[in-house]
Amino acid sequence: GEDVEQSLFLSVREGDSSVINCTYTDSSSTYLYWYKQEPGAGLQLLTYIFSNMDMKQDQRLTVLLNKKDKHLSLRIADTQTGDSAIYFCAESIGTGGYNKLIFGAGTRLAVHP
Amino acid sequence: NAGVTQTPKFQVLKTGQSMTLQCAQDMNHNSMYWYRQDPGMGLRLIYYSASEGTTDKGEVPNGYNVSRLNKREFSLRLESAAPSQTSVYFCASSELGTDEAFFGQGTRLTVV
Repeated sequence: GEDVEQSLFLSVREGDSSVINCTYTDSSSTYLYWYKQEPGAGLQLLTYIFSNMDMKQDQRLTVLLNKKDKHLSLRIADTQTGDSAIYFCAESIGTGGYNKLIFGAGTRLAVHP
Repeated sequence: NAGVTQTPKFQVLKTGQSMTLQCAQDMNHNSMYWYRQDPGMGLRLIYYSASEGTTDKGEVPNGYNVSRLNKREFSLRLESAAPSQTSVYFCASSELGTDEAFFGQGTRLTVV
């Protein structure tokens, strides 16, 4: 089946690292994504990782992929108040000419001083 | 750049009323999507249009219809609104063959 699971809440202190975890079920996913949703806004693509990679780093963001366990994580270094948002994990599944995105429920990250 | 524009931003309907949510994109993308977002459930795909002239059902199409009017515009219609359709609706677009979806600001719909 197609399912993406994430914990719903994470609270961190400003300056600390945040780690948001995600598990997915479809081993045929080619790409896995992290989207960010700020209050009152739509989703914005934050970063993605190709399924044959273990790690991708992009400035303060590090994505780790454990394909054997179907586990994806997003680490935000030196978390700032501007990072407060909902973070969605998504996997891409091919369905005959169309790649369907399956989203998790989203993790609400709260950054406090 | 406007990107993906949705109208209206907010709407309250009575049960049984109909309405159309509008979506337009100016990025010349082939593929367009309608999602609904409910608390604790992430985004669920209602309908999509892989390219102009085609539309297909997603995960939760019941109670909705869509029209791909042209390459730019993809509308979502509720013929007879029900309280279960209270949600935030997002339109998105992407280039055919890629997964990077660009989202509109959302329409918050309440059905009473």
